[in-house]
Amino acid sequence: EADIYQTPRYLVIGTGKKITLECSQTMGHDKMYWYQQDPGMELHLIHYSYGVNSTEKGDLSSESTVSRIRTEHFPLTLESARPSHTSQYLCASSEHDRAGANVLTFGAGSRLTVL
Amino acid sequence: AQKITQTQPGMFVQEKEAVTLDCTYDTSDQSYGLFWYKQPSSGEMIFLIYQGSYDEQNATEGRYSLNFQKARKSANLVISASQLGDSAMYFCAMREFLYGGATNKLIFGTGTLLAVQP
Repeated sequence: EADIYQTPRYLVIGTGKKITLECSQTMGHDKMYWYQQDPGMELHLIHYSYGVNSTEKGDLSSESTVSRIRTEHFPLTLESARPSHTSQYLCASSEHDRAGANVLTFGAGSRLTVL
Repeated sequence: AQKITQTQPGMFVQEKEAVTLDCTYDTSDQSYGLFWYKQPSSGEMIFLIYQGSYDEQNATEGRYSLNFQKARKSANLVISASQLGDSAMYFCAMREFLYGGATNKLIFGTGTLLAVQP
């Protein structure tokens, strides 16, 4: 039972198109994240947000942009898709817990293929 | 720089046997957290277990346990009584704690693909 939802799960699109990957969570978490994962590889943080109107770039440079207008919603946008953007994009959220673990809950991912 | 190393690209295990997935980490900080996530072929990341650097006991969650050896900077995942549904990619990850609070950056290893054979 997912508490964080990503759409679309799969997207095949042509070069130059604008795309938005949606991410919504129902847990009221303040912190949200976008990770990029190439097939068989590790995850790299590309964007994160501490709360509404807060966004920061992650460790991996990305041409994508994000916005956080509502707590539950953290969409990722590519203005002009290129084949190099082909990857899986994973959205996650977290809240501070007493143990300090700050465990991330992930969505099912969006697999993007740009032709 | 912080780094997670998983040296086993793939492993086989027989059903009902135990398996250990290796993870070593590198950090200069005293406070940090270590995580293991499971990623089935469907793609989602499933949290398995967490170990804080100051936790004196090894973490356990059902069939999962974390063999934490701080001096050796290792945090191996042990899965007991493997099941066919355990076949997946397993990622070790680390978060640093800065200024008394957790950062929001998880650093992931390259993963180990586990195949459980009947």
